[in-house]
Amino acid sequence: DTGVSQNPRHKITKRGQNVTFRCDPISEHNRLYWYRQTLGQGPEFLTYFQNEAQLEKSRLLSDRFSAERPKGSFSTLEIQRTEQGDSAMYLCASSLDRGYPYGYTFGSGTRLTVV
Amino acid sequence: RKEVEQDPGPFNVPEGATVAFNCTYSNSASQSFFWYRQDCRKEPKLLMSVYSSGNEDGRFTAQLNRASQYISLLIRDSKLSDSATYLCVVRNNNAGNMLTFGGGTRLMVKP
Repeated sequence: DTGVSQNPRHKITKRGQNVTFRCDPISEHNRLYWYRQTLGQGPEFLTYFQNEAQLEKSRLLSDRFSAERPKGSFSTLEIQRTEQGDSAMYLCASSLDRGYPYGYTFGSGTRLTVV
Repeated sequence: RKEVEQDPGPFNVPEGATVAFNCTYSNSASQSFFWYRQDCRKEPKLLMSVYSSGNEDGRFTAQLNRASQYISLLIRDSKLSDSATYLCVVRNNNAGNMLTFGGGTRLMVKP
């Protein structure tokens, strides 16, 4: 296992389309996080899972956003009816629930462009 | 007001210079503090944790002042490879392990 894997790396979509991103965490990590980063800003927390349970959601996560982690392994983040303001880098991270910060690892991100 | 504030820079310094970045945080419940480094179009990577007593890792020194809610990072003998964005990060240990990031300070080290 070489780390947190995110797919796709880049996604260009037309406004109004739905998109789905996937994150495969480090296999023994039970926590998984989604962040969003816009140009010139730091990453902003969106949501996190402990195993398959979604325990926290940011107010940034509007009704158009949904995240799942059905079997406590990989996670998907779906954005419905995309808007230009959704253009950003979507970062996934995973960790154990102890031993921070050394196990807290980010993936390379999915860069979304909405045209 | 953002929960973690940083000067966005850029800081343009010559090789070999010493440069310092500062950060303030507003949530007094913050319990853990870190500096992350982010290269252009890459993911953030942990540079170092920040402890109340101050800590050093090679050319990098981090300081924390809990009373003033202030964090600093000092880089000595800057290298070209230090050019990156430095993100100040805090964590509330009771809040699910999520991180709160500052907007980042951009450093450019010139030959």
